[in-house]
Amino acid sequence: NAGVTQTPKFRVLKTGQSMTLLCAQDMNHEYMYWYRQDPGMGLRLIHYSVGEGTTAKGEVPDGYNVSRLKKQNFLLGLESAAPSQTSVYFCASSLRQGSGTEAFFGQGTRLTVV
Amino acid sequence: AQKITQTQPGMFVQEKEAVTLDCTYDTSDPSYGLFWYKQPSSGEMIFLIYQGSYDQQNATEGRYSLNFQKARKSANLVISASQLGDSAMYFCAMREGSYNFNKFYFGSGTKLNVKP
Repeated sequence: NAGVTQTPKFRVLKTGQSMTLLCAQDMNHEYMYWYRQDPGMGLRLIHYSVGEGTTAKGEVPDGYNVSRLKKQNFLLGLESAAPSQTSVYFCASSLRQGSGTEAFFGQGTRLTVV
Repeated sequence: AQKITQTQPGMFVQEKEAVTLDCTYDTSDPSYGLFWYKQPSSGEMIFLIYQGSYDQQNATEGRYSLNFQKARKSANLVISASQLGDSAMYFCAMREGSYNFNKFYFGSGTKLNVKP
């Protein structure tokens, strides 16, 4: 079972460059999320999606865009990377119903912007 | 206001002893779930335990138990008989069931160090 797979695992960008992080899940989950993890701040929600073709902003959406063209994929884009976007990025997915199902996480992407 | 508060940035515990990691939450939704995740140094997020807002009994999973005090809005994780492999970051999370599209909110985490 692959679960949630993130690509790439590591990346170094120069300020101003763009990139796309790919998240793929094979559990047929309706909900998908992108979080960033910074020391002392836990996980903060960037964007999320409640279904194919729908996305919404989370707590810290500025500087990021997302798309969910297929149910199993959720892409996170950085149009013009900034050093403040140096972080570990996690994708997660979950079932839709109720509050009793956990989020499943990818292995994370460590992004450094220099 | 913070949805999830973890007030212990770091904790130490002696191997084989029990340890309690604190978590308080804030919600007006009557339906919610509380979760604990473990993040070892390798970085992955591992689901440990879940407690529903309507559950009458505290959740248990092996050496993990969740001390759920609804009136105090606390959901502390208790690890019994600590092992060296329990050294990790621990995150408390909440998922609201009625509003906000079932987003997960995470605390800032507690770094647990188990001493031999």
